[in-house]
Amino acid sequence: NAGVTQTPKFQVLKTGQSMTLQCAQDMNHEYMSWYRQDPGMGLRLIHYSVGAGITDQGEVPNGYNVSRSTTEDFPLRLLSAAPSQTSVYFCASGQRLHSGNTIYFGEGSWLTVV
Amino acid sequence: DQQVKQNSPSLSVQEGRISILNCDYTNSMFDYFLWYKKYPAEGPTFLISISSIKDKNEDGRFTVFLNKSAKHLSLHIVPSQPGDSAVYFCAAIHPFTGTASKLTFGTGTRLQVTL
Repeated sequence: NAGVTQTPKFQVLKTGQSMTLQCAQDMNHEYMSWYRQDPGMGLRLIHYSVGAGITDQGEVPNGYNVSRSTTEDFPLRLLSAAPSQTSVYFCASGQRLHSGNTIYFGEGSWLTVV
Repeated sequence: DQQVKQNSPSLSVQEGRISILNCDYTNSMFDYFLWYKKYPAEGPTFLISISSIKDKNEDGRFTVFLNKSAKHLSLHIVPSQPGDSAVYFCAAIHPFTGTASKLTFGTGTRLQVTL
């Protein structure tokens, strides 16, 4: 998990509150993404970015916003937290896969919405 | 629609024996596959990958086999060690809609290596 830093690691929110999960990488990777992991469902893609200024939706984007103003940072914003957003969130970064590089994940952010 | 499936939620193997973890996919356009290992309270870590132009890739104790006609891949760990106990995810990438940003994951298989 070296090189991808997520903060905070744990957070409890009340329904309706907003917050931002931070993600930073120091490997000069072009690609960054956010996944959530729920029991029995594997990791599902929320939003992703192929470079600074470029973002797009993944499989489960509703209730989340992202921006990519720099190569290093890719914050995930929860606009109005709901209990259904209780999950573990993982940020990932990588270069183009077919060059033989791969994707690195952060250590995760555990979010509970009450 | 689960495009990548790991039908065995758990697997128990004795230390020293072979562990075989399976993964099936439905989208024939996937052209790159990866295996990740995940310990509790940590992020997934990359294990091994394979391109669709190959049918086998080895890295130390880990070998991934790809059967494109069956849309099936498997991860072999030989010999299994207690430190291999973790959840293993397979993931796939589509060449046109996918990039290094977009992985489609299976639901994971929990491997327990017993003494």
